[in-house]
Amino acid sequence: ETGVTQSPTHLIKTRGQQVTLRCSSQSGHNTVSWYQQALGQGPQFIFQYYREEENGRGNFPPRFSGLQFPNYSSELNVNALELDDSALYLCASSLRDTYEQYFGPGTRLTVT
Amino acid sequence: AQTVTQSQPEMSVQEAETVTLSCTYDTSESNYYLFWYKQPPSRQMILVIRQEAYKQQNATENRFSVNFQKAAKSFSLKISDSQLGDTAMYFCAFMSGAGGTSYGKLTFGQGTILTVHP
Repeated sequence: ETGVTQSPTHLIKTRGQQVTLRCSSQSGHNTVSWYQQALGQGPQFIFQYYREEENGRGNFPPRFSGLQFPNYSSELNVNALELDDSALYLCASSLRDTYEQYFGPGTRLTVT
Repeated sequence: AQTVTQSQPEMSVQEAETVTLSCTYDTSESNYYLFWYKQPPSRQMILVIRQEAYKQQNATENRFSVNFQKAAKSFSLKISDSQLGDTAMYFCAFMSGAGGTSYGKLTFGQGTILTVHP
């Protein structure tokens, strides 16, 4: 069984740029959730994808967008990066209608 | 909206001793799940233990157990026989049950940094 993987591990971007983060879900999982974790804080829910459609969104602006592909992998895109977007971005996969989420190792994004 | 509060930013314990991490939450829902996650310095979030709100019996997983007080909306984690590998950030998290407003989405507390000393 393959766990959740994320790429890249680290990323440095400049304010105003755009970034794409990638997540491969655990084998057999059809739902992907994204979380933003600022330094020293708990993760905040960004959005969730199921069957390639957004299935719930947290309090994040539209410049945070995502995709889910037929193989259930997912992308998180952030446009017009701001300094406050610097954080660890966590992806979690799960089976629809179950409560257990499995997290990837995260992508550390630094915006300068 | 649900909220989760962890009032202990940092805790420390000696190896082999017992430590309890506190968590309170607020919700108007009656069907929900509570979790404790561990995040070591390596960053990977690992599920430690979960509790279904409809179960009165406190969950236990080896050295980890919870004290779930539904009326008080309290959900503490007890770690017995602490080990050096238990050093990590611990997060309490809430999820609505099926049909709830936040089913499938975790709401996390601010975390407690636990350090186990040899």
